[in-house]
Amino acid sequence: GNSVTQMEGPVTLSEEAFLTINCTYTATGYPSLFWYVQYPGEGLQLLLKATKADDKGSNKGFEATYRKETTSFHLEKGSVQVSDSAVYFCALTDGTASKLTFGTGTRLQVTL
Amino acid sequence: GAGVSQSPSNKVTEKGKDVELRCDPISGHTALYWYRQRLGQGLEFLIYFQGNSAPDKSGLPSDRFSAERTGESVSTLTIQRTQQEDSAVYLCASSVYPQGSWGTEAFFGQGTRLTVV
Repeated sequence: GNSVTQMEGPVTLSEEAFLTINCTYTATGYPSLFWYVQYPGEGLQLLLKATKADDKGSNKGFEATYRKETTSFHLEKGSVQVSDSAVYFCALTDGTASKLTFGTGTRLQVTL
Repeated sequence: GAGVSQSPSNKVTEKGKDVELRCDPISGHTALYWYRQRLGQGLEFLIYFQGNSAPDKSGLPSDRFSAERTGESVSTLTIQRTQQEDSAVYLCASSVYPQGSWGTEAFFGQGTRLTVV
């Protein structure tokens, strides 16, 4: 079945540091890949997505590239801000399934 | 409303009692989902409604769990004879198309935190 593996958290960084949150997946067919973010006190919201191999999703300075050869979708940001502190979830759907499969989430804490 | 609304936001119940959780999806969204998030874990799929089709109940953990949806509007998730392992945040999401179709975005509510004591 489908599965998503994320790096363990929490991740603590200083403001302006470089961020990478690793995500690898197992899926049948050709999945679409997503990063969702949950800010404190708010609901989950879509951060970015990629629907085919080699696509790059980007939003708010975050990027992730769909790598079929390594079955990965790592999230990166060049310079994090305190306001990026949140829990980040990697997710996929294989297109034939009607639901997203989520990773366990990675908590990011950015300090001044 | 503008987003997915869930109620109550918090619920504390005694073991063995029944609870009912409510979800109001975004108007016009035909797909509705329930997920469960236990502390420190990922989101666990429970059930999916799509229009008038039979719901996908494959994620319901036991027959104590059930859900209904009236047309393309409100959904209720019912947990009978609650157990302590049912303690979790229950999240509802809705989307225009089935999640992931052509990269469709799912919109989530803020969840109901259920604590069984």
